[in-house]
Amino acid sequence: DAGVIQSPRHEVTEMGQEVTLRCKPISGHNSLFWYRQTMMRGLELLIYFNNNVPIDDSGMPEDRFSAKMPNASFSTLKIQPSEPRDSAVYFCASSFPSGGREKLFFGSGTQLSVL
Amino acid sequence: AQTVTQSQPEMSVQEAETVTLSCTYDTSESNYYLFWYKQPPSRQMILVIRQEAYKQQNATENRFSVNFQKAAKSFSLKISDSQLGDTAMYFCAFMTDKLIFGTGTRLQVFP
Repeated sequence: DAGVIQSPRHEVTEMGQEVTLRCKPISGHNSLFWYRQTMMRGLELLIYFNNNVPIDDSGMPEDRFSAKMPNASFSTLKIQPSEPRDSAVYFCASSFPSGGREKLFFGSGTQLSVL
Repeated sequence: AQTVTQSQPEMSVQEAETVTLSCTYDTSESNYYLFWYKQPPSRQMILVIRQEAYKQQNATENRFSVNFQKAAKSFSLKISDSQLGDTAMYFCAFMTDKLIFGTGTRLQVFP
């Protein structure tokens, strides 16, 4: 089991550019979560999906952020246009189907720097 | 709203000693899960221990144990025989349909 796979591990971009973060959940998991970690705000839940359907996106900061899950094995988080205040570590996590959803497995995160 | 509070931003302990990290939470739910996650400098989020709210028995994982007080909405983590590798950020987290984290406690273990 390769675990939750995120790419890229590091991303440096300039303000105004589009950024796409990618996540491959663990096979068989049907819930997927995107978190953002900053020194000021800690770990914030941005959005989560159940069976590829967005359930709660109330944590998405603004319209510049969007997330998709076109199938059970892939999700993206897109920022367009990016701003320096978006600099953070972005984590993806997945969990078992209902009944075992109480354990999240995290990817290694993407360190995003917007200059 | 569900919230998780960790009132100790930083803690330190000497190797082989015991340390307790505090966590309180607020919820109106009766069924939920509580977790402690460890984040070393590598930034990987590592699950340390998990507690189901419907279980009265405190969870234990080797040197890690919790003191779960449901009525007080308290969930502290005790690390026994601290090791240098325990140095990390520790996050308390609460889950019903989604996982909500506290702000973390930075633990430093000294030789």
